[in-house]
Amino acid sequence: RKEVEQDPGPFNVPEGATVAFNCTYSNSASQSFFWYRQDCRKEPKLLMSVYSSGNEDGRFTAQLNRASQYISLLIRDSKLSDSATYLCVVNDYKLSFGAGTTVTVRA
Amino acid sequence: GAGVSQTPSNKVTEKGKYVELRCDPISGHTALYWYRQSLGQGPEFLIYFQGTGAADDSGLPNDRFFAVRPEGSVSTLKIQRTERGDSAVYLCASSLSVGTGENEQFFGPGTRLTVL
Repeated sequence: RKEVEQDPGPFNVPEGATVAFNCTYSNSASQSFFWYRQDCRKEPKLLMSVYSSGNEDGRFTAQLNRASQYISLLIRDSKLSDSATYLCVVNDYKLSFGAGTTVTVRA
Repeated sequence: GAGVSQTPSNKVTEKGKYVELRCDPISGHTALYWYRQSLGQGPEFLIYFQGTGAADDSGLPNDRFFAVRPEGSVSTLKIQRTERGDSAVYLCASSLSVGTGENEQFFGPGTRLTVL
């Protein structure tokens, strides 16, 4: 079983739509989680950390459910520039990445 | 300021050859990580350094892979007797130190290795 599993998508949504997707992780002892964004042929970049209480950064909301060991990301009011692959990451000092969820926002 | 840099950006080699991939971390970052990303997959951990020493090399796939960081700054990932399956993007990242808190890892642009 992979450490981090994600729905690969792709999610194809119109501008202004809301899109949400999840990932699950296998190590119940993991304490730290992130969402990274990766554009085509570019390096991953930190989008946001994920906290137990959930957190919001502008149009992005991340939630953590420890009991079910899943993490979610919700994007409101999608922009064309949100088109990317979103990587779910478990941080146990070394990062364990999911395979990524591809989101395409169309005009 | 300067981010993590990696050279070369692209490397094409033939099966059986030896390659070296270089990473220059952000100045002052003591922790350095190597990951490998195959097409359609997320990056996979290979090795990390705290200072000069390899603190965890559990992700190295086999003994053809080796990495050094002799002065605690620049690191070189070395691959002997390359195989076609080694083709991937090799990503380097650095962070201020190691931890599970807010120690963000900053990634370099990667080296795209193609083994023919």
